Amino acid sequence: KNEVEQSPQNLTAQEGEFITINCSYSVGISALHWLQQHPGGGIVSLFMLSSGKKKHGRLIATINIQEKHSSLHITASHPRDSAVYICAAFRGAGGTSYGKLTFGQGTILTVHP
Amino acid sequence: NAGVTQTPKFRVLKTGQSMTLLCAQDMNHEYMYWYRQDPGMGLRLIHYSVGEGTTAKGEVPDGYNVSRLKKQNFLLGLESAAPSQTSVYFCASSYSWDRGWTEAFFGQGTRLTVV
Repeated sequence: KNEVEQSPQNLTAQEGEFITINCSYSVGISALHWLQQHPGGGIVSLFMLSSGKKKHGRLIATINIQEKHSSLHITASHPRDSAVYICAAFRGAGGTSYGKLTFGQGTILTVHP
Repeated sequence: NAGVTQTPKFRVLKTGQSMTLLCAQDMNHEYMYWYRQDPGMGLRLIHYSVGEGTTAKGEVPDGYNVSRLKKQNFLLGLESAAPSQTSVYFCASSYSWDRGWTEAFFGQGTRLTVV
């Protein structure tokens, strides 16, 4: 079992729909990243959060540390939101540890007009 | 404001050839990382560096070497390329984790094919 699991692996939506992508992790973390990767493109950080909720435009990320679960929501989805969304759990540094990012496998989102 | 820049963006190698991927960041980050991304496997850490002149192995270091002679640059070398090294390679950088949790910035990726 992967330490970071995302669901669903593939998601298809119609423009305007509300979208939720889930991320569960089995390790203790200091923070969780949500990343976006467009086809053929680089990886962009959307959010980094350690508690509660963050909002940026139509994107909302929540995290429940006790339940080891995070969600990424997209309101009023648009075709330009089509991308791979990746969650990554960050375990903070301790001693000589560099601090480790463990990545989920990604959720492929396709939004049709 | 370039952020993290990787060169080259695409490369095709023959088995046994060598090459070096360059990662440059202009944010004065202490930490730099090389990842590979393969279908269905997520990003996996190859090597990382916590400062100029220091490097360490990640999860999948075999077949790769790295160097960090300058703080802003992190080089990934393949001495004798193998088809199993066909992948998309990403470089990332961040401030030291000692400052607490901090955002990582990623490059655009290098698509490498070994034939």
